Amino acid sequence: KQEVTQIPAALSVPEGENLVLNCSFTDSAIYNLQWFRQDPGKGLTSLLLIQSSQREQTSGRLNASLDKSSGRSTLYIAASQPGDSATYLCESYNFNKFYFGSGTKLNVKP
Amino acid sequence: DGGITQSPKYLFRKEGQNVTLSCEQNLNHDAMYWYRQDPGQGLRLIYYSQIVNDFQKGDIAEGYSVSREKKESFPLTVTSAQKNPTAFYLCASTPRPLSGNTIYFGEGSWLTVV
Repeated sequence: KQEVTQIPAALSVPEGENLVLNCSFTDSAIYNLQWFRQDPGKGLTSLLLIQSSQREQTSGRLNASLDKSSGRSTLYIAASQPGDSATYLCESYNFNKFYFGSGTKLNVKP
Repeated sequence: DGGITQSPKYLFRKEGQNVTLSCEQNLNHDAMYWYRQDPGQGLRLIYYSQIVNDFQKGDIAEGYSVSREKKESFPLTVTSAQKNPTAFYLCASTPRPLSGNTIYFGEGSWLTVV
C-alpha cells in the first residue's frame, strides 16, 4: 500500500520568499503525481499534474518536480504572496487508487 | 460552467439519525468518489462508483451507504452505525474510472453531530 507523507505539517514565511514544499511516497510505481491547493473549508483545486514519465511541470510561479527513484516530489513557489496561504496536498495515483498526503499548511505573512 | 455541487454545506445530525449528503456533477464523468477529511489528516476513501448502478467500498465504508442511480448523482448516507461522523466530506469525480485522470472535487460538506 502506498503511503504519502508531507513534512512539515505547517510552514510560516514572510511575503516574497521562495519556498519548497515536500512530498514523499513509499512506492515508486506511480502513474502520476498531483499537487492540490485547499482553502479553509473548501474543496481541493488541482495545481499541477506530473505524469510518471515527466520530471517537472510549471505553472506561473509554481514548479513541481518528480523523482520517482527517490520517492520524492517538491512544489516550488516563487515570490510567495499572502494569497498563497492555504493547505497544499500531494497525491499519487497507483494501484488504481488515489493516495493523498495530509498536507502542508502554508501561511505567508504580509 | 461544469462542476461538482455538494449540498448542504453544513449539516447537523442528532444521535441515532441517518443523514444524506448530496453530490451532483455535470461534467459527464463516469467515476465518482466520496472522501472523508479529518483535521490535519489526508483524505480517506469511503465509497466509489465506476459506472451507474455499481459502487465499491473504500477504506472506511462502515456506517455509510451510497447509491448511483444516475450518472450525475452519487448521494452519501451517513447512518447511525457510524459512531464518529463529525468530519468534512468531499465528493469527487474523474472522466473515466481507474485511469489516473485528474480528479475534480466539490466544495465539501461539513457534518457535525449534536
